[in-house]
Amino acid sequence: AQKVTQAQTEISVVEKEDVTLDCVYETRDTTYYLFWYKQPPSGELVFLIRRNSFDEQNEISGRYSWNFQKSTSSFNFTITASQVVDSAVYFCALSLDNAGNMLTFGGGTRLMVKP
Amino acid sequence: DAGVTQSPTHLIKTRGQQVTLRCSPKSGHDTVSWYQQALGQGPQFIFQYYEEEERQRGNFPDRFSGHQFPNYSSELNVNALLLGDSALYLCASRETSESQETQYFGPGTRLLVL
Repeated sequence: AQKVTQAQTEISVVEKEDVTLDCVYETRDTTYYLFWYKQPPSGELVFLIRRNSFDEQNEISGRYSWNFQKSTSSFNFTITASQVVDSAVYFCALSLDNAGNMLTFGGGTRLMVKP
Repeated sequence: DAGVTQSPTHLIKTRGQQVTLRCSPKSGHDTVSWYQQALGQGPQFIFQYYEEEERQRGNFPDRFSGHQFPNYSSELNVNALLLGDSALYLCASRETSESQETQYFGPGTRLLVL
């Protein structure tokens, strides 16, 4: 069985600060895919990134960056120069297939960015 | 092009009742999955439908059942409602033939069981 843990339940920062959301996962499978989703107050989950277990390259997309380390089973997400619009709940998730079927989600981290 | 739509947006039921939630997938999508998200928790996978059949199921009791119609839309039925069934129910869809594409989520139906 898979497990995803997001130890930070809530983080509060001031606008323009950098913030890192932690994600630790457990799986016995050698092939797996890691995801990050954003859930604004409207409720729908917005896909941010997908990473497969064989690709440990870090990725940067604008103010977002992701650090994948198999050695520590972690897939952390950093927002640089945070903005109020980044306020949301962020979920890390794991799937055994590329499409993200049967996702196992972490408990989520609520990020509040204050002006 | 509409994304994934769900109805109703909110619903209040009492214990023991039955409820039906509906999902229309994004245009061109043929696979529908359902997730339950209790307050303050991450979503949990309930089941997935493809070609009108349940293909995969998470750890949910038989009180949770579903259906997929020929137009790919789907229903989630919950019988004998319990207080613990109160949650946001999310539907997600994808196109099975597009292996590189991830699924899209709808806004959810918020169910309150009193």
